[in-house]
Amino acid sequence: EAGVTQSPTHLIKTRGQQATLRCSPISGHTSVYWYQQALGLGLQFLLWYDEGEERNRGNFPPRFSGRQFPNYSSELNVNALELEDSALYLCASSLQGAREQYFGPGTRLTVT
Amino acid sequence: SQQGEEDPQALSIQEGENATMNCSYKTSINNLQWYRQNSGRGLVHLILIRSNEREKHSGRLRVTLDTSKKSSSLLITASRAADTASYFCATDSWRDSNYQLIWGAGTKLIIKP
Repeated sequence: EAGVTQSPTHLIKTRGQQATLRCSPISGHTSVYWYQQALGLGLQFLLWYDEGEERNRGNFPPRFSGRQFPNYSSELNVNALELEDSALYLCASSLQGAREQYFGPGTRLTVT
Repeated sequence: SQQGEEDPQALSIQEGENATMNCSYKTSINNLQWYRQNSGRGLVHLILIRSNEREKHSGRLRVTLDTSKKSSSLLITASRAADTASYFCATDSWRDSNYQLIWGAGTKLIIKP
């Protein structure tokens, strides 16, 4: 069974630009979660999508947005990039209603 | 804000020894999970313990939960070099019918050969 996949692996952007990160969940999982992990820190919850709808978002500004497609894959968009947006962005998926989350390898975003 | 706080922040032990990590949280929970992260990559789910459980085992892992103290511990017995990783606890949070996991900052475990 294929795990959660994320692309790209690394992304280098300039301050003020926009970044798009992609995630494909495990087959059969309808929930997708996005997290930000700054270097050496824990995970900060960004967004939760289920069945194509945004179910909850963390304490992040509106320039962090995303969507979930009919095939349950998801996209995270970060507009007007700032230096402090540099982090590892992790996507996780789960069965609907399940608590256990399965993580992808992450996208490391560097903003210069 | 972080609900779970792991202790210690870092732990270095010899291969074969046992490793114990602790997690404290602030609000009532439905369940608590432990995850492992290798080399700043994706996390792997280790174990979930429900609020009505006190202890759970999975292979060399033993998790305890004390809801009166709002704390949990993860014990790894007979550690191996491959156990070198960061370990995170995560707790449920329900706010205004919205669910999310709240994560601690993690314990970095180093197993010396």
